[in-house]
Amino acid sequence: AQKITQTQPGMFVQEKEAVTLDCTYDTSDPSYGLFWYKQPSSGEMIFLIYQGSYDQQNATEGRYSLNFQKARKSANLVISASQLGDSAMYFCAMREKGTDKLIFGTGTRLQVFP
Amino acid sequence: GAVVSQHPSRVICKSGTSVKIECRSLDFQATTMFWYRQFPKQSLMLMATSNEGSKATYEQGVEKDKFLINHASLTLSTLTVTSAHPEDSSFYICSAKRGLSDTQYFGPGTRLTVL
Repeated sequence: AQKITQTQPGMFVQEKEAVTLDCTYDTSDPSYGLFWYKQPSSGEMIFLIYQGSYDQQNATEGRYSLNFQKARKSANLVISASQLGDSAMYFCAMREKGTDKLIFGTGTRLQVFP
Repeated sequence: GAVVSQHPSRVICKSGTSVKIECRSLDFQATTMFWYRQFPKQSLMLMATSNEGSKATYEQGVEKDKFLINHASLTLSTLTVTSAHPEDSSFYICSAKRGLSDTQYFGPGTRLTVL
């Protein structure tokens, strides 16, 4: 069965520093998509970044980059130059095999301090 | 952009009443929309997948007669919680998929409180 694992329930980072949020996945399907979403306290889910299983290069979107290590089945999110507004829950997700459904991890709460 | 709206953002109702939540894709046509439920400090749980013009596909354990989903147009899906009970109190959030893109864009969510 497909599964997403986020082992860090909470992370702290100082403003302007970089932080890595871990995500590992399990699937037997060679074709899959990996996503990261940010959920601030307001509740909305904000799409951050996407990585396709066949993409040769790691995805980047501004201060967000995805460290995609296919052999290790990991898709860690790297946030560079953290800002106070980055404090939120972060969810890793994977598109389920053969469907449009997303499987979510349990999330990591990131707190950025001055 | 890919903007999804939800209405209402917050609703409080009495036990036994029905509540309708709207999900709209504002700047794109969404052939597929999804409805999720999120309990406090937990992850999102998919309730159902909604395709325009056809019946929704419900996840195992989700009562389709209790959670009525209608996807009447390419920009609107509605979730109606019928005969709501306090245990239905939760955060309901929808998402929309644009064309063949893998990415789901989420609405801001609706917080339902049933007294």
